[in-house]
Amino acid sequence: DQQVKQNSPSLSVQEGRISILNCDYTNSMFDYFLWYKKYPAEGPTFLISISSIKDKNEDGRFTVFLNKSAKHLSLHIVPSQPGDSAVYFCAANKGRALTFGSGTRLQVQP
Amino acid sequence: DSGVTQTPKHLITATGQRVTLRCSPRSGDLSVYWYQQSLDQGLQFLIQYYNGEERAKGNILERFSAQQFPDLHSELNLSSLELGDSALYFCASSVTTVNTEAFFGQGTRLTVV
Repeated sequence: DQQVKQNSPSLSVQEGRISILNCDYTNSMFDYFLWYKKYPAEGPTFLISISSIKDKNEDGRFTVFLNKSAKHLSLHIVPSQPGDSAVYFCAANKGRALTFGSGTRLQVQP
Repeated sequence: DSGVTQTPKHLITATGQRVTLRCSPRSGDLSVYWYQQSLDQGLQFLIQYYNGEERAKGNILERFSAQQFPDLHSELNLSSLELGDSALYFCASSVTTVNTEAFFGQGTRLTVV
């Protein structure tokens, strides 16, 4: 049972435009959500997180939105840069280890 | 640099063999997690330790085991290896287990031939 789903395996955007990565979850007990970025041959790197008591968290070019009623979160990157090209994983936590989605490969075209 | 160290970076071994992967968490982190990533899939949670004790188990095979030592480093033991065990194995650490980000090492790429 995949509790965290990223239904888009890949996304391509132009440099300077907005990148929107989506994630859905099924377990309403999740209370903390995170986004990680992963480059090839490296471990995932923490990007941004959000608690279930909030609906938005912003850090520089990165903003995460949480819609609890829809069990949906999204990561917005504005403006997108070529260096943002990587695989992005969303993850959820309910007091135990993180449960990860399958990832979305973002390619930012110069 | 996340502060989490994993050794070795690469490991090639034959089917039926046993290997040990090692992880040193970030200074001050008490919780260690092991994840498996196969063929560009998502990260599958294997097991978690907190301050030396097993805290949670995920999709870990009976052929696999782990432990966390008093100095907080952790080892993941994989035995009776099969071709399908070829994967990236990541270790992560965090200060606590609740509502916090985990920091990942660079992983160990295991190839079973």
